[in-house]
Amino acid sequence: AQSVTQLGSHVSVSEGALVLLRCNYSSSVPPYLFWYVQYPNQGLQLLLKYTSAATLVKGINGFEAEFKKSETSFHLTKPSAHMSDAAEYFCAVSVSTSYGKLTFGQGTILTVHP
Amino acid sequence: GAGVSQSPSNKVTEKGKDVELRCDPISGHTALYWYRQSLGQGLEFLIYFQGNSAPDKSGLPSDRFSAERTGGSVSTLTIQRTQQEDSAVYLCASSLNGRAGADTQYFGPGTRLTVL
Repeated sequence: AQSVTQLGSHVSVSEGALVLLRCNYSSSVPPYLFWYVQYPNQGLQLLLKYTSAATLVKGINGFEAEFKKSETSFHLTKPSAHMSDAAEYFCAVSVSTSYGKLTFGQGTILTVHP
Repeated sequence: GAGVSQSPSNKVTEKGKDVELRCDPISGHTALYWYRQSLGQGLEFLIYFQGNSAPDKSGLPSDRFSAERTGGSVSTLTIQRTQQEDSAVYLCASSLNGRAGADTQYFGPGTRLTVL
């Protein structure tokens, strides 16, 4: 069975600083990996996904993530945080031998302060 | 185009009552998923539909939970004899194909269920 661990339930950064949200996965088969963002009282919006093509994936709003098989990681980064990035971020995995059932991490709340 | 819609957005009910939650997926999407988001358990998979069939119901927490999908479109999640631990946000998602793990799921805004 697959699982996802997000290190740090809360991350706080200054506006303009680097954003780094950590995600490690466990899967017995090649995974597909996703980052979703959730703003208050809204559903989840896809930021980016890894589908076994390029290991460095670029997403919306300036975010990117790098798939590192040796480290079983898929960390999310953004060079310069904006106030509008404040939200909860979820890393998720699905396995390629199945349909798109997602297993989510516990989420990381990102706070951006001026 | 229209995204995934869910109704009601909020539902408050008394313990022991039945509730129905509705999901309208994106037109043409054959796959539909229900997830539950609660403080204690995070985001959990409930059920997956491919067309009108549900090949995976493994996430339904008890036999009080059921779901159906009709016409390959609208889905209803029914909770019978609600309990306080059912309080959560119920999210619906749809995807174009669903037969591959890489398919992007598009989420609705959710229904917040509160059981008093």
